[in-house]
Amino acid sequence: DARVTQTPRHKVTEMGQEVTMRCQPILGHNTVFWYRQTMMQGLELLAYFRNRAPLDDSGMPKDRFSAEMPDATLATLKIQPSEPRDSAVYFCASGLVRRASGSGIDTGELFFGEGSRLTVL
Amino acid sequence: EDKVVQSPLSLVVHEGDTVTLNCSYEVTNFRSLLWYKQEKKAPTFLFMLTSSGIEKKSGRLSSILDKKELFSILNITATQTGDSAVYLCAVNDKIIFGKGTRLHILP
Repeated sequence: DARVTQTPRHKVTEMGQEVTMRCQPILGHNTVFWYRQTMMQGLELLAYFRNRAPLDDSGMPKDRFSAEMPDATLATLKIQPSEPRDSAVYFCASGLVRRASGSGIDTGELFFGEGSRLTVL
Repeated sequence: EDKVVQSPLSLVVHEGDTVTLNCSYEVTNFRSLLWYKQEKKAPTFLFMLTSSGIEKKSGRLSSILDKKELFSILNITATQTGDSAVYLCAVNDKIIFGKGTRLHILP
């Protein structure tokens, strides 16, 4: 049963601490997205990767957030230092790029992980 | 700036009613429009639309796209309590989501 796996499912930490969230995309998928979901803002796109290369991270606060794909089976999202306003559910999603031109991509269906609920006190 | 706007933001109806959810968009480079349903956890895929005027159907759910007027609708007929969820629309160039429509079905 292919699915996107995220860890941790829940994380409570204190302001200033480093937080690392991990995502294992579906085997064979070549595109990975990171989203943040809050009641106020909905699902916000933070960053996405294609074939492990970052395509766009313009939605991510650069001073504290970083996203990487060290290999095809692992994507990470790191926050350092964390702040209370970072409290949210962070979703990872993967998909298969069918074609790409310019800066846009066409992934068709995205498959989401269960999310990592982060609370920063 | 690319944006996706959904309406209404929330909707409460009685079981058996028909509902129509709206999604309008402005994006630089449109490729497709996606509808997702989110209950308690992760969004799950409903439809992908790429061409105007072609209705996609799945049981009581259907959706259609108008690329000239830049919008899509999601219809749910004979609603059931299990349809209660947040319905999300996303537009593919950068997979930008709207804020969703929170639908609550009363028994």
